[in-house]
Amino acid sequence: QVQLVQSGAEVKKPGASVKVSCKASGYTFIGYYMHWVRQAPGQGLEWMGWINPNSGGTNYAQKFQGRVTMTRDTSISTAYMELSRLASDDTAVYYCARDHGAVAYVDYWGQGTLVTVSS
Amino acid sequence: EIVMTQSPATLSVSPGERATLSCRASQSISSNLAWYQQKPGQAPRLLMYGANIRATGIPARFSGSGSGTEFTLTISSLQSEDFAVYYCQQYNNWLSGTFGQGTKVEIK
Repeated sequence: QVQLVQSGAEVKKPGASVKVSCKASGYTFIGYYMHWVRQAPGQGLEWMGWINPNSGGTNYAQKFQGRVTMTRDTSISTAYMELSRLASDDTAVYYCARDHGAVAYVDYWGQGTLVTVSS
Repeated sequence: EIVMTQSPATLSVSPGERATLSCRASQSISSNLAWYQQKPGQAPRLLMYGANIRATGIPARFSGSGSGTEFTLTISSLQSEDFAVYYCQQYNNWLSGTFGQGTKVEIK
């Protein structure tokens, strides 16, 4: 069965960077795009970008351009999302989410990683 | 940018009653719309895609309709496990904004 297992919670200081991992299993990793979506406490879902695990190509939401980097390691079926220059309003649960195909809807979600930014 | 607007923000419904959730896109997205259900402390779960196709394992009491700019998610007879927040999402163009702000379905 498809599983996306994310790394554990992080606490970071303002200005720092965070890197969240998402290990995929149960399917061919390079066959499906991966999205990253975040959710601030009590708020809705915010799309950050996607990565094509096959080519490594990425597309980021304009809001995060210059601050987010999505990468992957196909040898271990793992996607990564790194967000730099963290501020308090980056405190959120970050989800990886598998695209059904190539930039369509999301059919599987990771369990989420809470990133807390606090001085 | 495509703005997805959901209404109402909160829907109070008694168990066994029908719930109707709306989602409007600021421009046509054809049928490239998905619905997700999210319960507290959990990741979202895919309910519908293609505006009206139930995802695997989703009960028949959930149905979707619409195309273009107006969409509806209907839950025919609310069960206790259906009380949650529901998000619509357009995937016609992810770069243009994607998720609605959510509708909370609560027990009346």
